[in-house]
Amino acid sequence: EIVLTQSPDTLSLSPGERGTLSCRASQSVSRNYLAWFQQKPGQVPRLLIYAASTRATGIPDRFSGSGSGTDFTLTISGLEPEDFAVYYCQQYGGSPLTFGQGTKLEIK
Amino acid sequence: QVQLQESGPGLVKPSGTLSLTCAVSGDFITSTNWWNWVRQPPGKGLEWVGEVYHSGLTNYNPSLKSRVTFSVDKSKNRFSLTLSSVTAADTAVYYCARADYDSGVGVDFWGQGILVTVSS
Repeated sequence: EIVLTQSPDTLSLSPGERGTLSCRASQSVSRNYLAWFQQKPGQVPRLLIYAASTRATGIPDRFSGSGSGTDFTLTISGLEPEDFAVYYCQQYGGSPLTFGQGTKLEIK
Repeated sequence: QVQLQESGPGLVKPSGTLSLTCAVSGDFITSTNWWNWVRQPPGKGLEWVGEVYHSGLTNYNPSLKSRVTFSVDKSKNRFSLTLSSVTAADTAVYYCARADYDSGVGVDFWGQGILVTVSS
């Protein structure tokens, strides 16, 4: 089973700043099948990025994903008020699928 | 647009069986997609429960495998989850979701989720 470790646990930033979230895998993620989800309180997780760097339909271009193998990054350039939420990475390159523990992006 | 909707009891007694169904619209349960269950205990992170293919193929979270069963109802375009011997630790919002591996997207569409509480 691939263990995903996200850092930091909490990130405090101001609107307009750049947010960088990390996801490290315990072993290489097959085909770089790494996704990022955003979840706001009481809402369903929303797919942002799949295959490490491809934005899902309708996702603003301020969200970008990068990385390969075991190290992946979600970057949010120019934070908007609606971007403050919890972000999860997930690997789907092999079974079992696994999620990171989440990074809470909060307003500073 | 693909839509998924969970249904089932919101309260299950300890040692009982949790049974949920997910109705799918906008896609066929017999497509090449896989049908997933993900859960989230209150205030905690996401946990993958497992997935089922229309042929009956399954993949499970090893930590739940001994208690989980999936099924597919092609005539009603829906799939189901059964979790036996539940405890308070199984209290969570349960989401059903679609996974499109053919396109490399992974889990893309989610249901709204259903809160299941295990309590006497």
